[in-house]
Amino acid sequence: LAKTTQPISMDSYEGQEVNITCSHNNIATNDYITWYQQFPSQGPRFIIQGYKTKVTNEVASLFIPADRKSSTLSLPRVSLSDTAVYYCLVGDKNTNAGKSTFGDGTTLTVKP
Amino acid sequence: GAGVSQSPSNKVTEKGKDVELRCDPISGHTALYWYRQRLGQGLEFLIYFQGNSAPDKSGLPSDRFSAERTGESVSTLTIQRTQQEDSAVYLCASSLESQNYGYTFGSGTRLTVV
Repeated sequence: LAKTTQPISMDSYEGQEVNITCSHNNIATNDYITWYQQFPSQGPRFIIQGYKTKVTNEVASLFIPADRKSSTLSLPRVSLSDTAVYYCLVGDKNTNAGKSTFGDGTTLTVKP
Repeated sequence: GAGVSQSPSNKVTEKGKDVELRCDPISGHTALYWYRQRLGQGLEFLIYFQGNSAPDKSGLPSDRFSAERTGESVSTLTIQRTQQEDSAVYLCASSLESQNYGYTFGSGTRLTVV
């Protein structure tokens, strides 16, 4: 599985755009990039998934450069309720199904 | 059900006792996963089921840990002779086989071994 590296923590203020970058230099051709959000005392929640270029949904955008060795989760206009841990996950379900390494994630703290 | 259900939500046990943790996946989800999360840390993969077979048990930390799944539904994670280092939140997730890492997680079971 491709190892991922994320910043341990980030601070932001309400209304700002937050970008969290994940490095995955050893990403394989069949690997997808998935981001999860985890609030205290809850399981992680799927946010967004992509393979290349840009993916956008109602919650976030995911930017993936051509070499796919990194990806950036973009949260527009964050609010206090976006304070959570964000995990970047890289892998191919067919060859490594379930054996996912979430790492320690990025703790985002949104301040008023 | 509407989501992944785990029980109990909290469990306090004495060192040396056995515990069973239960996971009810989303109906129709063929894949089921167990993870362990220690305080302030990321998720540690334990075991994965596709249907009721366990294709990948490599994450189980010792032979005190075992898991079963009945058909494509309920799974139980059993920890025998619990130790204090087993204290953690145990998370279960399920997914459709066709979803690529689109897991739906339960809220977990917080296990405390005293």
